[in-house]
Amino acid sequence: DTGVSQNPRHKITKRGQNVTFRCDPISEHNRLYWYRQTLGQGPEFLTYFQNEAQLEKSRLLSDRFSAERPKGSFSTLEIQRTEQGDSAMYLCASSLALAGVSLEQFFGPGTRLTVL
Amino acid sequence: GESVGLHLPTLSVQEGDNSIINCAYSNSASDYFIWYKQESGKGPQFIIDIRSNMDKRQGQRVTVLLNKTVKHLSLQIAATQPGDSAVYFCAENRVYGGKLIFGQGTELSVKP
Repeated sequence: DTGVSQNPRHKITKRGQNVTFRCDPISEHNRLYWYRQTLGQGPEFLTYFQNEAQLEKSRLLSDRFSAERPKGSFSTLEIQRTEQGDSAMYLCASSLALAGVSLEQFFGPGTRLTVL
Repeated sequence: GESVGLHLPTLSVQEGDNSIINCAYSNSASDYFIWYKQESGKGPQFIIDIRSNMDKRQGQRVTVLLNKTVKHLSLQIAATQPGDSAVYFCAENRVYGGKLIFGQGTELSVKP
């Protein structure tokens, strides 16, 4: 257990429905990252926050995806109008960044999304 | 484009043997490289990292070698154990960057 928690661990939904995932990072970590991982592939970066500011978004993050970290602690990732291609493992990671330098990223167990 | 990739998708070794997992990268501007281990149903777990100004770093039973001339990274696991069975990823990062760029992964299988 790395100290990063994600909920739910599994989500099955029908195409067109909205889903929301939650990530609770290690409490003293100021950076929080979202990645997506499909079977047999390495994680792909989606977005990251420093405190409550969203600093970078991947072009993979379409308009249907939105992430927030309103109080600089937990984060939510929402997918609207889900498509079968959204089926993947969604991973959250957190790290401590000092003077712009990020230390090791610790990953949560992930939320596995299946879109029927 | 930028990429971090792995030479072999699977590796099978006998328990007690040494394992070597390789990785090729293409971005010369990367500041450091990280090896992660991912077990089934879990998130990636940090193993070891190495800065671009180093060519070797050792941890407990693991050694990472970096060859910047040929843009090659390797992870050596000494006396491989069944608990080492997992998928191993190399990843690239920048000191002032945020995102990790991962390769495809190598599945290590340890035979008892």
